Amino acid sequence: KQEVTQIPAALSVPEGENLVLNCSFTDSAIYNLQWFRQDPGKGLTSLLLIQSSQREQTSGRLNASLDKSSGRSTLYIAASQPGDSATYLCAVRPKNAGGTSYGKLTFGQGTILTVHP
Amino acid sequence: DTEVTQTPKHLVMGMTNKKSLKCEQHMGHRAMYWYKQKAKKPPELMFVYSYEKLSINESVPSRFSPECPNSSLLNLHLHALQPEDSALYLCASSDPHKGQGSPYGYTFGSGTRLTVV
Repeated sequence: KQEVTQIPAALSVPEGENLVLNCSFTDSAIYNLQWFRQDPGKGLTSLLLIQSSQREQTSGRLNASLDKSSGRSTLYIAASQPGDSATYLCAVRPKNAGGTSYGKLTFGQGTILTVHP
Repeated sequence: DTEVTQTPKHLVMGMTNKKSLKCEQHMGHRAMYWYKQKAKKPPELMFVYSYEKLSINESVPSRFSPECPNSSLLNLHLHALQPEDSALYLCASSDPHKGQGSPYGYTFGSGTRLTVV
């Protein structure tokens, strides 16, 4: 059974700091890994999607890496800002026995990030 | 159009009421999902529709009844809910690409905040 773990559970940093969020998963049979951001009471916003064959993806100040063999992904946020404060969720899309790629995402518990001025 | 639209944004209902949540997407995605999210927890999958057919029901109580009228619309009919059903209900969509190398991620809506009184 696929399990996804995110460390740390919460992180508080001063504005301007570079930071790393960690995600690990137990089964490397995945199609892709997706990082989401969620503001309180809101839906999920996709930040980055990394295919299983890729090593990293970048968008603006965000960079996500994937090491499928070791079951790890990191989300790097450069020059953090108070507006980055949110919960960050990592989710993997597992390959399933039916050969189809729809189905449940397996989520981590999330990292609550607070960036203070 | 790269969005998933959910209505209503907030809903308060009594335990004897019947109500419906609606979800719409125009990205041509052929898989649509309902997720339930409790406070400080990751989303939990409820139902998956692929090509307008129910493909996954995660043992959800029958007081929740999904419906997919066409490839762009997904409804969740609610009847005789309990206070513990209060949560954020999220709709998502993706392309159910079959076989290896699914290149597509999930797109989530902003959710319906449901309160059962």
